[in-house]
Amino acid sequence: DVKVTQSSRYLVKRTGEKVFLECVQDMDHENMFWYRQDPGLGLRLIYFSYDVKMKEKGDIPEGYSVSREKKERFSLILESASTNQTSMYLCASSLLGQETQYFGPGTRLLVL
Amino acid sequence: GIQVEQSPPDLILQEGANSTLRCNFSDSVNNLQWFHQNPWGQLINLFYIPSGTKQNGRLSATTVATERYSLLYISSSQTTDSGVYFCAVGNQGGSEKLVFGKGTKLTVNP
Repeated sequence: DVKVTQSSRYLVKRTGEKVFLECVQDMDHENMFWYRQDPGLGLRLIYFSYDVKMKEKGDIPEGYSVSREKKERFSLILESASTNQTSMYLCASSLLGQETQYFGPGTRLLVL
Repeated sequence: GIQVEQSPPDLILQEGANSTLRCNFSDSVNNLQWFHQNPWGQLINLFYIPSGTKQNGRLSATTVATERYSLLYISSSQTTDSGVYFCAVGNQGGSEKLVFGKGTKLTVNP
């Protein structure tokens, strides 16, 4: 079974803090994704990566950066957290050439 | 970019009823997936179905690519079917990038 894990289920941070969200997959998938989910808006793609050290902007990259130093790990970074980044963050992965995406359990981030 | 509309936004059923969820999209696609998000937030991939028909137990899906819509059928619904159902499409050269609809929230009552 594909397993995608995220470092925290719940996280509370203060405005201006630097926040790291970690995602790890154990199936040697090339593609990894970060989404945020807000009520009434569905899921929106922040960034994705198709290989180590490679990244592409999604639909809402502003205020975020990513890092992929190892194939299994994809990190989302909030350089200076703001209250409008309070959201549910979901990580996903997929095998190159196979479009099915597998999701982690999500991290609910609250920025005060 | 491509637009994805799902209907209905909310659906309440009695256990045992059947239902049809619809996904309309504004452009041709080379990737279409249906997901179920359970009440704890976990998304599970149900179908990868850019065209044609697939069935998995009580669930089936049909995509008519030429008419730009997909349908998800749930038969003999159970309380565990409750949650939000998302349709997501991709149409770029790298079809891995998905655009999600806003979802249909399904509540199945015992």
